[in-house]
Amino acid sequence: GAVVSQHPSRVICKSGTSVKIECRSLDFQATTMFWYRQFPKQSLMLMATSNEGSKATYEQGVEKDKFLINHASLTLSTLTVTSAHPEDSSFYICSASERGRNTDTQYFGPGTRLTVL
Amino acid sequence: GEDVEQSLFLSVREGDSSVINCTYTDSSSTYLYWYKQEPGAGLQLLTYIFSNMDMKQDQRLTVLLNKKDKHLSLRIADTQTGDSAIYFCAESHNNNDMRFGAGTRLTVKP
Repeated sequence: GAVVSQHPSRVICKSGTSVKIECRSLDFQATTMFWYRQFPKQSLMLMATSNEGSKATYEQGVEKDKFLINHASLTLSTLTVTSAHPEDSSFYICSASERGRNTDTQYFGPGTRLTVL
Repeated sequence: GEDVEQSLFLSVREGDSSVINCTYTDSSSTYLYWYKQEPGAGLQLLTYIFSNMDMKQDQRLTVLLNKKDKHLSLRIADTQTGDSAIYFCAESHNNNDMRFGAGTRLTVKP
């Protein structure tokens, strides 16, 4: 099946630093990638949708200057949390839709747990 | 690697019961989840079950877990058109890394 990886799986950083999270589709081309944020045992909140080669579409309430998304190729999207603060600590999950297939089918990465000290 | 699988489509008539199935491979899973995604929205957590339980009921939703077979199901009683959505099964070990299925699109016909 389609595999999506995320790197790193866990990251701890100091307040004020920036953290980059990578999302890769390993065996398929992803036209669209989604970034979600989850708080413990709660729903996944959609942060933004990115299409290869174009600017990401952010959901209401998500600061685009704080959460920078780049989808430079059909297999890679990155989320950069800029000037991270403790309230940014969360579990970030990406998913990808396969090019040429039903775009409703999303393949999820394993998630990245960010802890900001 | 560990895997979570579910069928991609399910179609039922309004008023019938829907059963969405999921299988997983990680025997150390401790939490199993069902999420609902409506068009253009995030994933809404419907319910979750601890791996030491075999059933959980919440109003119209019934979750059954067969840990031996690593099989999870979500039953929706008296399915309504508003239940049409994509349903994702997910599992995690001690609420760390989560693994999701690809989602089952439920279509409810009047």
